[in-house]
Formats: sequence, C-alpha cells, structure tokens
Amino acid sequence: DGGITQSPKYLFRKEGQNVTLSCEQNLNHDAMYWYRQDPGQGLRLIYYSQIVNDFQKGDIAEGYSVSREKKESFPLTVTSAQKNPTAFYLCASSSLAGNNEQFFGPGTRLTVL
Amino acid sequence: KQEVTQIPAALSVPEGENLVLNCSFTDSAIYNLQWFRQDPGKGLTSLLLIQSSQREQTSGRLNASLDKSSGRSTLYIAASQPGDSATYLCAVRKSAGNNRKLIWGLGTSLAVNP
Repeated sequence: DGGITQSPKYLFRKEGQNVTLSCEQNLNHDAMYWYRQDPGQGLRLIYYSQIVNDFQKGDIAEGYSVSREKKESFPLTVTSAQKNPTAFYLCASSSLAGNNEQFFGPGTRLTVL
Repeated sequence: KQEVTQIPAALSVPEGENLVLNCSFTDSAIYNLQWFRQDPGKGLTSLLLIQSSQREQTSGRLNASLDKSSGRSTLYIAASQPGDSATYLCAVRKSAGNNRKLIWGLGTSLAVNP
C-alpha cells in the first residue's frame, strides 16, 4: 500500500521538552512538507524539502527543526522555543515532475500539558 | 499577495441535493488549484486538481471547474450523501518552477443530513 504514515497519532509534551514527529512516505516523492493546522486558520507551511539533505523554511519555521537524511523520511522536531505548539501537524509529499499534486498523511495531534 | 477565500464557511443540506462549494482567489496567475476533503481529526484527501490551462475536472459525483479570469473555482457535488459530510478545502499553487507553495482557503464545513 503506497502512502504517507505519521506517528504517533497523539503526542503529549510537557513544557520545556523537545518532541519529534515522524513522517514516512513510500510514494517515491522527492518533495516533502510539514504543515500546522489550528482551528479557524488555514494550513500554514512550517518547512519543506525538495531533495535529500536540503530543506527550506516555510512561513512559520521558528521553534521547529527538520532533517532529510533519507528520501522517504522527513521528521519534524518541535523545540521548547516554540511558544504555542499545541496543534494538528500534517505531513505531505509530492512529485517534482508533472502537476506536483500533494498527498497528505493522517496527522499528529500534539498537546502541551 | 494571493489570498484564497471559501464561501460559505458552513453548509447544511438534505441528502440527495446537488450542491456547489465556492473558492475564490485574488491573483489569476496560478499554476493549478487543488480541492481536498478533510474528515474530523484526519488528514487531507486530494479530490481533484485542475491545471491553469484546464476548465474542469471530474471524478465520480464530483466536478471542479476553474475560471482564472474571474478568480473562481467551484466544486459541484451531485446527489449528496451523508458520507460526503466533511470539510472541503481548496488550495492554489502560485507558479511553476521551484516555488511549490500552496495558498490555502479556510474551508467549507459540509453537513449532509439523512
């Protein structure tokens, strides 16, 4: 089954902790993306990567970090510097050829206690 | 600056009705437009993608149209079913090349009542 997996589905974090959200895809897509979704707001881009070992900041990168060591994987770390991390986090991927249609994973809900 | 608006924010219809969801954008220089569906607490499912050179795309009971000159796209759902209840999001890709950023609307929350 081809697709995007995210884990965990739910994540609880204490203030001051760093946490890492996992995103894996087996669609052979070059590009991967992290979005944050908050009630009443459109999806906001955190980071994206178009090739292994390279990534770019999106609109709200402060307090987040990423890595892209493998084509299939694009983990997101939410650091203690992120002031309001409680949100729903979505990972997506797309091919760089053709129409670049984006496909999404099931999401991770992060709650700060 | 590209802005994407979806009206209405919420819609409630009886089962079987044909309905139209609207998406408008302020800059007609788009590369493509994508419609998504999101169920509560879930990820997004891509429904239809329309390239800027296309006028419409169809998948089953769904038909999406694009009018770049007026900055509008519509998603038509025929013979609605309770299972169509979800939030529908549209997103515009601004241009070709390396900028693959999507600009998102806030979505229309659809409830189809049995």
